[in-house]
Amino acid sequence: EAGVAQSPRYKIIEKRQSVAFWCNPISGHATLYWYQQILGQGPKLLIQFQNNGVVDDSQLPKDRFSAERLKGVDSTLKIQPAKLEDSAVYLCASTTRGGGANTGELFFGEGSRLTVL
Amino acid sequence: AQTVTQSQPEMSVQEAETVTLSCTYDTSESNYYLFWYKQPPSRQMILVIRQEAYKQQNATENRFSVNFQKAAKSFSLKISDSQLGDTAMYFCAYGTYKYIFGTGTRLKVLA
Repeated sequence: EAGVAQSPRYKIIEKRQSVAFWCNPISGHATLYWYQQILGQGPKLLIQFQNNGVVDDSQLPKDRFSAERLKGVDSTLKIQPAKLEDSAVYLCASTTRGGGANTGELFFGEGSRLTVL
Repeated sequence: AQTVTQSQPEMSVQEAETVTLSCTYDTSESNYYLFWYKQPPSRQMILVIRQEAYKQQNATENRFSVNFQKAAKSFSLKISDSQLGDTAMYFCAYGTYKYIFGTGTRLKVLA
């Protein structure tokens, strides 16, 4: 079974530039999450999708961050314009919850490491 | 709101010894999952062990076991016979349809 795919793995940009991250969850997983993990900290939820609808985006800085999950499969997270404090690893995760057999386990991708200079 | 607290930022243990990582959480829900995830340096987050709140029996996975105290809202991870490959960040997490992570404990296994 293929895991959660993310790209790019690494990205370096100047502040005020834009960047986009892509995630393809495990096939059949209805729920998709984007987390921000700043170095030395735990993952912080940015947005949660159930199929192609947003369940929770309360911690997404909407003035600069946007995310979409068209057709309820893969997802894109965009930052525009980037700030220095956006330097972090952006983790995508998925789970079956709500879409079938409920194991409760969250499956993570390898993450996209963003450095803003 | 649910919270997860890990009060040990760093720990170390000698190879082959046993170590316990602590986690407390707060919730008003009665049905939920608790997890320990491992994140090796620059590598993917993987599940170590999972506990369903309605189960009284503590979960075990080979060298990993938990002490789940529902009334005290405590969920500690015991690693027995520690190995060098256990060196990683360990995150305690609470999950319903939303997953909340603690700040992590950096574990170093010493040769």
